[in-house]
Formats: sequence, C-alpha cells, structure tokens
Amino acid sequence: DAGVIQSPRHEVTEMGQEVTLRCKPISGHNSLFWYRQTMMRGLELLIYFNNNVPIDDSGMPEDRFSAKMPNASFSTLKIQPSEPRDSAVYFCASRPGQGEETQYFGPGTRLLVL
Amino acid sequence: AQSVTQLDSQVPVFEEAPVELRCNYSSSVSVYLFWYVQYPNQGLQLLLKYLSGSTLVKGINGFEAEFNKSQTSFHLRKPSVHISDTAEYFCAVRRTNTDKLIFGTGTRLQVFP
Repeated sequence: DAGVIQSPRHEVTEMGQEVTLRCKPISGHNSLFWYRQTMMRGLELLIYFNNNVPIDDSGMPEDRFSAKMPNASFSTLKIQPSEPRDSAVYFCASRPGQGEETQYFGPGTRLLVL
Repeated sequence: AQSVTQLDSQVPVFEEAPVELRCNYSSSVSVYLFWYVQYPNQGLQLLLKYLSGSTLVKGINGFEAEFNKSQTSFHLRKPSVHISDTAEYFCAVRRTNTDKLIFGTGTRLQVFP
C-alpha cells in the first residue's frame, strides 16, 4: 500500500496565482480530510469528505479556498487567488470509514506564496 | 467547544531518560483521544488512541498514555527514550459524535546523546 499520496510536495508561487493541491487517498478509504499547518495556528482542519461528499467545510478560511472530490480516489484543494498568508504545509489524510478512528496522513505539500 | 492544551512547547531530554508529554482537554461530552508523531518533513503518524475500556493505552515505539477523566488529561509517557524519538508530538481529541479531530499545538521532543 502506497499510503496517502500528495502532489506536489513543494510549491512556490507568486501572489495572485492559482494553486491546486492534489491528494490520492488510500484505496478503499471512505473519508478524506484536508488540514493546514502553520507555526502560528498549528494544525487546522479545513474540510472533510465522507463518500466523496463534503460534510464540514467550516474550517475553510475564505472563498478563495475550494475543495472537490470528484471520485473516491482523488481530491483537490484550490486557492485562487493565492496570498502570502496562505503559505503553510497542507496535509491530506484518509480514513477507512466511520467506526474506524485512525486517520492516515500524507507527506504534505509545502506551499510558499511570494 | 472542545480544546486541547499541550503545556510544553519543547521538552529536552537525554537519551535513555524517561519522558512525559502533557495533554489536557476540555469537552462537555464523551471524546476519543489520540497522540500523533510528526518526524521532520513528514506527515503525522498515529502513536496510540483511547476509545474506551482500559485507561492505560499502549502504542508503537514503546509509548503509552493514560486517560484520566477526572483530570481531563491524556499524558504520553516513555520509560526510556532514544535519539530517534526526536520529533513533534501532537495530542488530539474528537467528540464521539463527530468526525473532526482537534489538535493541540504540539510538543517538540528533543533527545540528546
């Protein structure tokens, strides 16, 4: 099992550009979570999906952020337009299903917005 | 609302010494409790979890934690640490009726030779 796969691992972009982060959950997992990690705010849940349906997006900071999960094996987190304060490490995690409590984290995408 | 407090942002310790990383939580309802470890430039990995039953939970790499409901604590312990235990450790809490994990701010464990 390859684990949760995230791409790219590193992204450097300029303010105003669109950024798309990608995640492939572990095969067979039904839940997917997007987190953001910064020094100031620690680990924050942005949004999560159960069976490809967004359940709670209350952590999404503003309308510039959007997330989709078109199928069980792929999700994207998009920032448009990006700002320097979006610089952070973005983690994707998946979970086998409700009733199984462990979330499995990907290696993260380190985003730097100049 | 739930919250998680990790009182120590950094814990320096010598190799083979015991260590305790503190975690306190607040919640008015039943919760599940977790400890995750993050090695440099990696994602988080589950160390152990408390869902129900015995309050002493054993995890990977020789770590254990004890759930204390009266003190709303879930401290992580290891009797003898190794250099390889140097990492960031996160305590997390989840209400039993939700999917959301709330993380503490993390404790950086630095093990010296």
